[in-house]
Amino acid sequence: EVQVVESGGGLVQPGGSLRLSCVGSGFSFNDNYIDWVRQAPGQGLDWVGRIRNKAKSYTTDYAASVKGRFTLSRDDSQNSVYLQMNSLKTEDTALYYCSRAPASYGRSVDWGQGTQVTVSS
Amino acid sequence: DIQLTQSPSFLSASVGDRVTITCRASQGISSYLAWYQQKPGKAPKLLIYAASTLESGVPSRFSGSGSGTEFTLTISSLQPEDFATYFCQQLNNIPLTFGQGTRLEIK
Repeated sequence: EVQVVESGGGLVQPGGSLRLSCVGSGFSFNDNYIDWVRQAPGQGLDWVGRIRNKAKSYTTDYAASVKGRFTLSRDDSQNSVYLQMNSLKTEDTALYYCSRAPASYGRSVDWGQGTQVTVSS
Repeated sequence: DIQLTQSPSFLSASVGDRVTITCRASQGISSYLAWYQQKPGKAPKLLIYAASTLESGVPSRFSGSGSGTEFTLTISSLQPEDFATYFCQQLNNIPLTFGQGTRLEIK
């Protein structure tokens, strides 16, 4: 069974940092891209960033709203991707999802249940 | 960035109805479009990718069409479990972007 599980969310003050983790199982983790998508309460889906696979040199892309503050990394030996979030703002408050995105087309096939990030003083 | 505009934003329909949701892109994206369904408190679920390819396990009452800048998601005969919010996503350009969503409710 394919599973994607996020963790690491919580309450943090503005300007603070948080590191989210995404662990995958039941599929060839190292072949896939991993996307992060967030959803603020009652709002739509907001793409955060992508980390590609080894074949694509683990390259990353980010939404303009998080570029320079968020950093993606991955450890294929642990089937894990990490989202390091620095200089957090209140507008980063959202449910953060990670998803498996096959390299062949890049759509988000399998999603986790999300981890809540709340930025508030 | 490529903007995706879905219409309508809200749709009220009955079980058995045929419904169509449109997604328009601000510039051409070939067939690099996916559709997702999201129910309250749940993660999105992939329905269709490459504009018209049905994801494995998705009922055949769902279909997608279009290319370039205009795309449609059609549900041929609404079932009770189809009442949800639907999002389109373009996969042609970074940053990837989503439409604002279409909320489908029971009439």
